[in-house]
Amino acid sequence: DQQVKQNSPSLSVQEGRISILNCDYTNSMFDYFLWYKKYPAEGPTFLISISSIKDKNEDGRFTVFLNKSAKHLSLHIVPSQPGDSAVYFCAASGGGGSEKLVFGKGTKLTVNP
Amino acid sequence: NAGVTQTPKFQVLKTGQSMTLQCAQDMNHNSMYWYRQDPGMGLRLIYYSASEGTTDKGEVPNGYNVSRLNKREFSLRLESAAPSQTSVYFCASSEMTANEKLFFGSGTQLSVL
Repeated sequence: DQQVKQNSPSLSVQEGRISILNCDYTNSMFDYFLWYKKYPAEGPTFLISISSIKDKNEDGRFTVFLNKSAKHLSLHIVPSQPGDSAVYFCAASGGGGSEKLVFGKGTKLTVNP
Repeated sequence: NAGVTQTPKFQVLKTGQSMTLQCAQDMNHNSMYWYRQDPGMGLRLIYYSASEGTTDKGEVPNGYNVSRLNKREFSLRLESAAPSQTSVYFCASSEMTANEKLFFGSGTQLSVL
């Protein structure tokens, strides 16, 4: 039973355009959400997070939106750059700490020059 | 600026062999984790150590043991490797388990034949 779902295994966009990566969750107890970015042969790195008390969090070109009623969050990258090509993991936590962090399967983003 | 260091980067084992994956962090973090990543799957927690001297099972602990040697080091041992343990293993650390922002090592690619 997948609690965090990233239904698009891959996404391809043109440089300069917007990339939108989606994530759905089923557990209503989740109250903290994170995005991690992973390049080949490297470990994931933290990108951005959002608490359930907010519906938007922005950090430079990256914005995460949270729709609690729909149990949906999305990561927007504007403008997309070739260096953004990576696998993006959505993760969620239900207040139990990082040992309860649940990861999605990831979405591979390719930004074409 | 090492962060989280894992050794080895690659390993091939025969079924039944044993080995230990090493992990060390230099960020003075209290909590450390071992994850595995399989194709088409998200990261799954094997074991974690909330603080020096403590270890606990994660989602997929069977076939593994861990040792929190000191605050810096957290090792993962496969006593009798099985083909199902073929995976990429990531070590991670965080200031404490209440902080879901994890710092990952670059991973160990393990193949069990």
